[in-house]
Amino acid sequence: DAGITQSPRHKVTETGTPVTLRCHQTENHRYMYWYRQDPGHGLRLIHYSYGVKDTDKGEVSDGYSVSRSKTEDFLLTLESATSSQTSVYFCAIKGQTLYNEQFFGPGTRLTVL
Amino acid sequence: GQQLNQSPQSMFIQEGEDVSMNCTSSSIFNTWLWYKQDPGEGPVLLIALYKAGELTSNGRLTAQFGITRKDSFLNISASIPSDVGIYFCAGVGGSQGNLIFGKGTKLSVKP
Repeated sequence: DAGITQSPRHKVTETGTPVTLRCHQTENHRYMYWYRQDPGHGLRLIHYSYGVKDTDKGEVSDGYSVSRSKTEDFLLTLESATSSQTSVYFCAIKGQTLYNEQFFGPGTRLTVL
Repeated sequence: GQQLNQSPQSMFIQEGEDVSMNCTSSSIFNTWLWYKQDPGEGPVLLIALYKAGELTSNGRLTAQFGITRKDSFLNISASIPSDVGIYFCAGVGGSQGNLIFGKGTKLSVKP
């Protein structure tokens, strides 16, 4: 257990509304990640953070923004949700070894109507 | 960008059978990771491979890091019903050590 929680676990929203997902970790990990998982696509990286206020884009960053104002929290925001952003979102942290293993949270299922 | 080809996409086997799945890439990776995902949960790390040619076991699971560093396989021996799930391979690459995931192998086990 890497001490990762995600909130909310489920959310239904309407097209055009803003949505923020929260990832919280308790073990002071430097690196945090947001992925989305869709059938046929596996897990795709949206954004990641390598420290407080340090973030970078991943493979599918369009339509998403992130913020990390403190080590333990990494927020993913959909400024204006679209139906194509209906997905399961996973947060992950990088372990403390040199080998870059990542450990995942339980996920947030987001439905955009 | 980098891509991983994971096969097979799905497997439907009888309890007690052995299972084999693999991932290949056109790119070299420094680390290969294998994850399992149960329905409604996040992926859980099963095995990590750090060196080309390495063979690592975790109970009934065995994984190998290909000598070319472009492939890896995972074997499950004597499958049981709780092996059901989706198995993902992931390669670690790039300057930030980000993961590239295969699209998964869905395993179904018939008792």
